[in-house]
Amino acid sequence: KAGVTQTPRYLIKTRGQQVTLSCSPISGHRSVSWYQQTPGQGLQFLFEYFSETQRNKGNFPGRFSGRQFSNSRSEMNVSTLELGDSALYLCASSAAGGYGANVLTFGAGSRLTVL
Amino acid sequence: DQQVKQNSPSLSVQEGRISILNCDYTNSMFDYFLWYKKYPAEGPTFLISISSIKDKNEDGRFTVFLNKSAKHLSLHIVPSQPGDSAVYFCAARGTGNQFYFGTGTSLTVIP
Repeated sequence: KAGVTQTPRYLIKTRGQQVTLSCSPISGHRSVSWYQQTPGQGLQFLFEYFSETQRNKGNFPGRFSGRQFSNSRSEMNVSTLELGDSALYLCASSAAGGYGANVLTFGAGSRLTVL
Repeated sequence: DQQVKQNSPSLSVQEGRISILNCDYTNSMFDYFLWYKKYPAEGPTFLISISSIKDKNEDGRFTVFLNKSAKHLSLHIVPSQPGDSAVYFCAARGTGNQFYFGTGTSLTVIP
């Protein structure tokens, strides 16, 4: 069973640009969540999608957005990049359709560097 | 506001001894707790979990303890092995299937 796949793995952007990251969940998983990891901050929750609908949203500015497609693949977009957006962006999928999803399975992450 | 806290950024333990990683939380509505392990350049991998209705869960060398009154959980690794060296994150599930993570503890097991 293939794991969670994130692309690209590494990317470098400059301030003011925008970026789109992609995540393919485990087959059959309908919930996809995104997290930002920075040193000293742990994993900060960005948003969760289930059946193409954003179900939860963390405390991030509107520059951070996402979407989910009918095949459960998800993308997140960050517009007007700032230096502080440099981080590892992790995608995670979970199996249950309702609120019983107990375990998140993570991808390897997309390492974004903003210069 | 950090609802899940890991106050020890790092921990070093001799091989064969016990590793104890701690985690505190503030929200009494959390109903499920998990530990994840993360190696460099990889995503976190699920290690062990515990429901809020239990106080202990064991899986091989790994045991998680939950003290709801103290809002504290801990992960015990016995015996510790060099391959256990990684960053460990605790996480808690809140309402709406949202998970809250701690800042991580870097464990080094010394051979």
